[in-house]
Amino acid sequence: DIQMTQSPSSLSASVGDRVTITCRASQSISNYLNWYQQKPGKAPKLLIDAASSLQSGVPSRFSGSGSGTDFTLTISSLQSEDFATYHCQQSYSTTWTFGQGTKVEIK
Amino acid sequence: QLQLQESGPGLVKPSETLSLTCTVSGASVSSSTYYWGWVRQPPGKGLEWIGSIYYGGSTYYNPSLKSRVTLSVGLSKNQFSLRLSSVTVADTAVYYCAGDTSGYYYRYWGQGTLVTVSS
Repeated sequence: DIQMTQSPSSLSASVGDRVTITCRASQSISNYLNWYQQKPGKAPKLLIDAASSLQSGVPSRFSGSGSGTDFTLTISSLQSEDFATYHCQQSYSTTWTFGQGTKVEIK
Repeated sequence: QLQLQESGPGLVKPSETLSLTCTVSGASVSSSTYYWGWVRQPPGKGLEWIGSIYYGGSTYYNPSLKSRVTLSVGLSKNQFSLRLSSVTVADTAVYYCAGDTSGYYYRYWGQGTLVTVSS
């Protein structure tokens, strides 16, 4: 199995802050890495696929980068609606795995 | 617009089989265009991919659940299903069905249904 490890598990930030979340794969997954945002009581929402491709309708303050084993999700200027949990997911293998999630909380 | 809705019992006894159905609108589950799957989330924890099914019957399962999971696509209704046998309290979770035209991620999700395993 490919293990996905996110860091940090949680963070506190203020509106306007730049936020960076890291996801590391246990082996190279090329760019088969996706990011989801999940708000309490809601289903996950796909933000970014293929490591850096922003989904339609997702604000440009979200960006993704990386390839191989190390990936990053960046929110350039945190907005109130961005407080949520973020999950990475690999699809390099036919058996997908998610990271454990990163909760972004209000400071 | 593709829409998905989970249905099934909210309470299952230990050692029994959990069965959930996902009803799809906006596309045919028999279409070769779409990929379908299930993801679960134990209370307060992260997401766990359960498995995926493609038209034609190809299935892929989480290795940790493979011996207990069966995914299938309905023939007479626009539905696909999950069966998880020999459940324990560790299988208590919100179960989501999901789908996409891509075989690499899910853009379309159901609202999720909480299944509690308890005697």
